[in-house]
Amino acid sequence: GAVVSQHPSRVICKSGTSVKIECRSLDFQATTMFWYRQFPKQSLMLMATSNEGSKATYEQGVEKDKFLINHASLTLSTLTVTSAHPEDSSFYICSAREASGQETQYFGPGTRLLVL
Amino acid sequence: AQSVTQPDIHITVSEGASLELRCNYSYGATPYLFWYVQSPGQGLQLLLKYFSGDTLVQGIKGFEAEFKRSQSSFNLRKPSVHWSDAAEYFCAVGERSNDYKLSFGAGTTVTVRA
Repeated sequence: GAVVSQHPSRVICKSGTSVKIECRSLDFQATTMFWYRQFPKQSLMLMATSNEGSKATYEQGVEKDKFLINHASLTLSTLTVTSAHPEDSSFYICSAREASGQETQYFGPGTRLLVL
Repeated sequence: AQSVTQPDIHITVSEGASLELRCNYSYGATPYLFWYVQSPGQGLQLLLKYFSGDTLVQGIKGFEAEFKRSQSSFNLRKPSVHWSDAAEYFCAVGERSNDYKLSFGAGTTVTVRA
């Protein structure tokens, strides 16, 4: 149980285009999903918290207009990187939290984004 | 503000030997403590967690961790490592007052030599 998927696993795009990443909880309902960014050989940095049916909460320094987050259902959250630039290249990981047990997050496999 | 320190950036251990990864946290309240493992290019897998009760917790893959409040530590151990344990290990801390948002340590890379 508690499986989280992400799609796509890898994406290469041209500078200036937008990229959408999906995060799904496959076997549980997730009232909250989190989006992280991980640079090579570094730890995870929380970007934003996504609650179903409400606006996402962004961490300090994260541009909300750059990283659009939508949590339309209890099993799906999306992260759209708008007008991507090479500095947005990174590993993006989502996690989901079960509605009934809020302490533990289950992580997706990550999405590798390369902006050329 | 909460913070997590993993003092060891890289540890090399022989297959079959024991492993201990250190984690120290700075926290005002009772923390919720986690250890995650990440294989290259993959997401994070939960190894174990501590919320309350017995301070020695058992996890998956033969790992265990001990919470020591007096030392603000939550060290991860495995008695005998396998080559498949080579990975990146992250300690994380959450707090109820912060809606259980996780703060991660910098990670420890474990290399297993034959």
